[in-house]
Amino acid sequence: QKEVEQDPGPLSVPEGAIVSLNCTYSNSAFQYFMWYRQYSRKGPELLMYTYSSGNKEDGRFTAQVDKSSKYISLFIRDSQPSDSATYLCAMSEGSSASKIIFGSGTRLSIRP
Amino acid sequence: DAGVTQSPTHLIKTRGQQVTLRCSPKSGHDTVSWYQQALGQGPQFIFQYYEEEERQRGNFPDRFSGHQFPNYSSELNVNALLLGDSALYLCASSSQGANTEAFFGQGTRLTVV
Repeated sequence: QKEVEQDPGPLSVPEGAIVSLNCTYSNSAFQYFMWYRQYSRKGPELLMYTYSSGNKEDGRFTAQVDKSSKYISLFIRDSQPSDSATYLCAMSEGSSASKIIFGSGTRLSIRP
Repeated sequence: DAGVTQSPTHLIKTRGQQVTLRCSPKSGHDTVSWYQQALGQGPQFIFQYYEEEERQRGNFPDRFSGHQFPNYSSELNVNALLLGDSALYLCASSSQGANTEAFFGQGTRLTVV
């Protein structure tokens, strides 16, 4: 069993829809929870990170962490074609930049 | 301000050969991590360097080795290449501390034939 499980998609939604992306994990020592966005032929870029449980909002993006269920989510409101990319959930124990364990990524396509 | 730069961008090697990939961290960063990303998969942690020493290592064989230089730049070396080593190799730089962001480079696409 992988430490981090993520549905690979692909996921296709119309412009303006609310997108929900999710991951589950098995390692209870994870404390930092991140979402990265990766465009084709580019390196991942950090969208948001959360320490421990709770919600965090940044513009159209909301990240949720439920440590009791070992479940994290990313919501994208008013989705735009420019949001089309692969979204990677990621987690680590010691810090948000140390030995990051990634999910397999979900390919998201926003239809105009 | 230049971000994380990696070289080369692409290369093709033959099975059994050795390869060296290079990474220059973002200005102000002193820690470099390397990741391997196979097609359709998420990046997998190889190892992390800080103060010119390997600090953490993922589940990769000894064929994978690295080095960090006094200017914080880093190299990833892979010996005895296998077809399965074909992947995108990503370098990430950061500074020490709990709440710090890892910045990724564009990666080096390695193809082993």
